Amino acid sequence: DAGITQSPRHKVTETGTPVTLRCHQTENHRYMYWYRQDPGHGLRLIHYSYGVKDTDKGEVSDGYSVSRSKTEDFLLTLESATSSQTSVYFCASHSGSDNEQFFGPGTRLTVL
Amino acid sequence: DAKTTQPPSMDCAEGRAANLPCNHSTISGNEYVYWYRQIHSQGPQYIIHGLKNNETNEMASLIITEDRKSSTLILPHATLRDTAVYYCIVGYQKVTFGTGTKLQVIP
Repeated sequence: DAGITQSPRHKVTETGTPVTLRCHQTENHRYMYWYRQDPGHGLRLIHYSYGVKDTDKGEVSDGYSVSRSKTEDFLLTLESATSSQTSVYFCASHSGSDNEQFFGPGTRLTVL
Repeated sequence: DAKTTQPPSMDCAEGRAANLPCNHSTISGNEYVYWYRQIHSQGPQYIIHGLKNNETNEMASLIITEDRKSSTLILPHATLRDTAVYYCIVGYQKVTFGTGTKLQVIP
């Protein structure tokens, strides 16, 4: 499997505070993704990146921003966390040759 | 990207073949069909993908209809460790996973 890690793995924060989740991959993959998973909704795409400094919105991007300054890192930021952003967040990456996505272990975020 | 429709749940006896269907009637000509599975709260795991032809690997077989509007994932000899949520997705860069099929393998 691709070397893809997420940090932190668990986080509890309060409403209104900024939060940044980090995704790191060691496979030199071009494409990276952030998803959130909630009961009854499967995995929903938040943002994705198709190269350094190249990003695009997914279906649930409101309230989230991303940055990709290096190939290996993709950051997801919640500028002002809300309780509706309590979720499990998964990062994924792929090389671009066949779209086989490799997923990280997930980050469980709780916003109180 | 095209959307998919899957049954919410299925049961399969251990040792029998598990056949998981997926409808993707709006698939475009250059879009692949991908299958992933998610065990408990782990990150999804890639299983197999295909474009037009049937595919087989060490984990499963993928049967795609000639019109490409539906496909079936086959786990030839299901084990208890195959209990998971299985996702069928189509598209390329910007894909939607949906809610998948929860497969329960029964001893």
